[in-house]
Amino acid sequence: KNQVEQSPQSLIILEGKNCTLQCNYTVSPFSNLRWYKQDTGRGPVSLTIMTFSENTKSNGRYTATLDADTKQSSLHITASQLSDSASYICVVILQTGANNLFFGTGTRLTVIP
Amino acid sequence: NAGVMQNPRHLVRRRGQEARLRCSPMKGHSHVYWYRQLPEEGLKFMVYLQKENIIDESGMPKERFSAEFPKEGPSILRIQQVVRGDSAAYFCASSPSGTNEKLFFGSGTQLSVL
Repeated sequence: KNQVEQSPQSLIILEGKNCTLQCNYTVSPFSNLRWYKQDTGRGPVSLTIMTFSENTKSNGRYTATLDADTKQSSLHITASQLSDSASYICVVILQTGANNLFFGTGTRLTVIP
Repeated sequence: NAGVMQNPRHLVRRRGQEARLRCSPMKGHSHVYWYRQLPEEGLKFMVYLQKENIIDESGMPKERFSAEFPKEGPSILRIQQVVRGDSAAYFCASSPSGTNEKLFFGSGTQLSVL
């Protein structure tokens, strides 16, 4: 069982629509959680970083939420654009250790015109 | 300020050959991390290096794989006697100091073993 689980695995939406991606994690002790966007054939690019005390953080049309009690996070994309088509990866970082990043397998988002 | 540079972007090797993957971190970054990504899977940690030192190689197979980050030049991930199962995307990331800093990823090297 993955320690960072994302859902849905893939999602297709119409341009202009909103969508929400989910991330549940079991790893601890938690330090922070990040959402990355990975375009096909490229490396991941950071969208948001959330610490234990933060419930919500926005970056343009991206809004991430975090509930550290239930160990859940979501990424909400508003007014989707074709360029939003990518994989969105949830990464949980623990407080200690060099190998302290746990990656989800990502949600593959496709925005169609 | 160039980002993390990886080369080659694509590398094709026959079984038994050696693969060398290079990573130049962002300017001013002394911490380098290598990850492997298989299709439909998340990135898996392989090794964490600082200049001239391997800090954590717990994610790297004990045989055939090695990594270095010399005082001068890029970090190198070396895979000897490649097998088909080594086919994957290999990503390098760098940070100025430690994993709690925002990581910057390269575009990866896609290794294909025939």
